Amino acid sequence: AQRVTQPEKLLSVFKGAPVELKCNYSYSGSPELFWYVQYSRQRLQLLLRHISRESIKGFTADLNKGETSFHLKKPFAQEEDSAMYYCALDTGRRALTFGSGTRLQVQP
Amino acid sequence: DVKVTQSSRYLVKRTGEKVFLECVQDMDHENMFWYRQDPGLGLRLIYFSYDVKMKEKGDIPEGYSVSREKKERFSLILESASTNQTSMYLCASSPPRQGPIQETQYFGPGTRLLVL
Repeated sequence: AQRVTQPEKLLSVFKGAPVELKCNYSYSGSPELFWYVQYSRQRLQLLLRHISRESIKGFTADLNKGETSFHLKKPFAQEEDSAMYYCALDTGRRALTFGSGTRLQVQP
Repeated sequence: DVKVTQSSRYLVKRTGEKVFLECVQDMDHENMFWYRQDPGLGLRLIYFSYDVKMKEKGDIPEGYSVSREKKERFSLILESASTNQTSMYLCASSPPRQGPIQETQYFGPGTRLLVL
């Protein structure tokens, strides 16, 4: 069965430090992956999707099929990046499979 | 701008009550979803609907049912609320797949339900 694992519940970094939010998936087919973000008192929203190969708010994510990972990275964290981040997997079913989430705290 | 609204932000109910959570979207999306969001467990899919009167069970459907009588509205029903259903409930909608990739899901603000 498909599964998404986010091993860190909480990641705390200082402003200006690099950030890497880990996401591993299990799926035997060809996956498509997404990162969703929820800022404080805001609704959950799409941050980026693998297929777009884009950088949003300085974040990038590379799909590594060998390691079955889709880690989210940013070279220099900002305080406004503090939020809850969810990795999600599309396996061709009608719905996404979400991970358990990682809370990112960026300290001043 | 996609708007997904949920009928209540906060709800307090007693054990055994029947609870209705309503979700409305204004973008004519075919797909609608109900999730519950719990710390350490992330988002877990309860039910989803891909058309009017069509529904499919998600990963944790036990104790819940849904209704989709109109395209814009998707209701989650707790037939007999229990304390372990205390949670944040998120509704989402999305257009149908245009190709191999699922479209973006748009989320509502959530309903925080407390069952006493």
